[in-house]
Amino acid sequence: EVQLVESGGGLVQPGRSLRLSCIASGFTFGDYAMSWVRQAPGKGLEWVGFIRSKAYGGTPEYAASVKGRFSISRDDSKTIAYLQMDGLKTEDTAVYYCSREAVEPAGKYDFWGQGTLVTVSS
Amino acid sequence: DIQMTQSPSSLSASVGDRVTITCRASQGIKNDLGWYQQKPGKAPKRLIYAASSLQSGVPSRFSGSGSGTEFTLTISSLQPEDFATYYCLHHNNYPRTFGQGTKVEIK
Repeated sequence: EVQLVESGGGLVQPGRSLRLSCIASGFTFGDYAMSWVRQAPGKGLEWVGFIRSKAYGGTPEYAASVKGRFSISRDDSKTIAYLQMDGLKTEDTAVYYCSREAVEPAGKYDFWGQGTLVTVSS
Repeated sequence: DIQMTQSPSSLSASVGDRVTITCRASQGIKNDLGWYQQKPGKAPKRLIYAASSLQSGVPSRFSGSGSGTEFTLTISSLQPEDFATYYCLHHNNYPRTFGQGTKVEIK
């Protein structure tokens, strides 16, 4: 059974850092790109970024709103994807979800974690 | 960046109604699009992938169509459990972008 479990959320002051983790199980983690999506309270879904599988270079892509502040990495040996968030702003307050993205369409954003809440406030 | 314009932003419908939601892409994205249902406090759930392929386990009253720049999600006969917010997501290039969402409410 495919499972994605996010952790690491919490209350953090503006300007500080936080690292989220997405622990994956039930599939061959190394075969998938891993993505992060967020949802501010009462708002729609926003794609944050993703990291390619090692077979495709293991490189990340980011939304403009987080580029230069957030970074995504992966540890295939532990089947974990990370979202490092630096220079947090109040507008980064959201539930953060991870999802997987295969090369083929059937495996794109088909499974999601339950989300972890990040609150940026002084 | 590709913009996804979703309409309507909300609609009121009755059980049994046929409902259609549209997403328009600012440039052609072939069929690189999925549709998602989200209920309050829950993660999104994929309904449709590759614009028109039904996700396994999703009722056949859901269908998707379109390619290029215009896409539709149709619910042929709305059921009580379908009241939720629906989003499209393109994966043609980077950044991926979602439509703004359509909230389907009970009339």
